[in-house]
Amino acid sequence: DTAVSQTPKYLVTQMGNDKSIKCEQNLGHDTMYWYKQDSKKFLKIMFSYNNKELIINETVPNRFSPKSPDKAHLNLHINSLELGDSAVYFCASSSGPEGYTFGSGTRLTVV
Amino acid sequence: GQSLEQPSEVTAVEGAIVQINCTYQTSGFYGLSWYQQHDGGAPTFLSYNALDGLEETGRFSSFLSRSDSYGYLLLQELQMKDSASYFCAAASSNAGKSTFGDGTTLTVKP
Repeated sequence: DTAVSQTPKYLVTQMGNDKSIKCEQNLGHDTMYWYKQDSKKFLKIMFSYNNKELIINETVPNRFSPKSPDKAHLNLHINSLELGDSAVYFCASSSGPEGYTFGSGTRLTVV
Repeated sequence: GQSLEQPSEVTAVEGAIVQINCTYQTSGFYGLSWYQQHDGGAPTFLSYNALDGLEETGRFSSFLSRSDSYGYLLLQELQMKDSASYFCAAASSNAGKSTFGDGTTLTVKP
């Protein structure tokens, strides 16, 4: 019954590694997003996809590469992880501007 | 660019009423949303205003004035469980992108 589910919930990894976070929504929404929330709780948009097409890329390093195989899935792959990548990453979906449904978040810790 | 301003912290007592203000500068503004986030949890949608005026949902109400680029979230009959961070978010014409404010930490005291 989970509306937006993302895995894993926790991810601890060493600097330089490559990791992926998966996200799936069963709400039938056309648009999906990745947001990053840092230690000060600031929520910043990273990417937005609409029907599998990238529509927003907010000055994110090339090490971050989103992939949307279909409109229900939006995955995030991160290469060469750095300490500064430690944050909580939220996937979200929406059918319009009026409100997002967020996943439960992935807490990434780079050591 | 897009920017939103909201107070960083608000404290109130149980049973009281609190108002969290949000001012925004957003090109192609569509509407203003509010989200609640408890520690360790995900943001959850509370309300959305596209038109001027007040929207009421139970103990929570949200207001928008497009001419003033201003909105607020009103929480009535505060309960301890309302202690959380509250974010305003402005939706723009850029594919429905929402820019979030920095959040207001609400602490409800007995």
